[in-house]
Amino acid sequence: QSALTQPPSASGSPGQSVTISCSGTSSDIGSYNYVSWYQQHPNKAPKLIIYEVNERPSGVPDRFSGSKSGNTASLTVSGLQAADEALYYCSSYTGINNLVFGGGTKLTVL
Amino acid sequence: QVQLQESGPGLVKPSGTLSLTCAVSGGSIGSSNWWTWVRQPPGKGQEWIGEIYHDGTTSYNPSLKSRVTISIDKSKNQFSLKLKSVTAADTAVYYCARVLTSWAFDIWGQGRMVTVAS
Repeated sequence: QSALTQPPSASGSPGQSVTISCSGTSSDIGSYNYVSWYQQHPNKAPKLIIYEVNERPSGVPDRFSGSKSGNTASLTVSGLQAADEALYYCSSYTGINNLVFGGGTKLTVL
Repeated sequence: QVQLQESGPGLVKPSGTLSLTCAVSGGSIGSSNWWTWVRQPPGKGQEWIGEIYHDGTTSYNPSLKSRVTISIDKSKNQFSLKLKSVTAADTAVYYCARVLTSWAFDIWGQGRMVTVAS
């Protein structure tokens, strides 16, 4: 069982927005702003899309945004596109030099 | 741009040692970055294994610390992972990656599937 809890699936129609949650505890998400999100297409390496809760690496479109409230982080994908269909994983620093990931959410574009 | 490529045996016997290397191209491993290993068991989420700085400083996942060694070879521009006393639970795709900042990994290798079986 993964340390962070994500819904197994999410879906939306092209052009719509969808939000994926990532639930942790006061020891990880609740204590640190070191939450990242990754996008992974089948048989591909993960791609970093959000770091430090709401920062986007160069080249990632602003349709992807991140936020955090209490022990839960969220990823919002706006203006859904077919290419956004993928697995999305969250991660969080836990202190004592450790990092935990979520189990992943499969995003389907209807 | 910087690219990473994992290499090593795809099959390891139980109780043996898993050994993988990550070759860095398009940039120097001696830059100011940390470098890390992450694994993903089939059908499951990722697990952070550990990381290394260019000066050899390491940090490991407490749950794997007793079995893991990560090393760096700046002359070959690569870093390596050794995991000893493996069991079937260590079967996974192993990725190497570059640490961007604050526990975020911005460049990943393609991954190496390692199966632990006799």
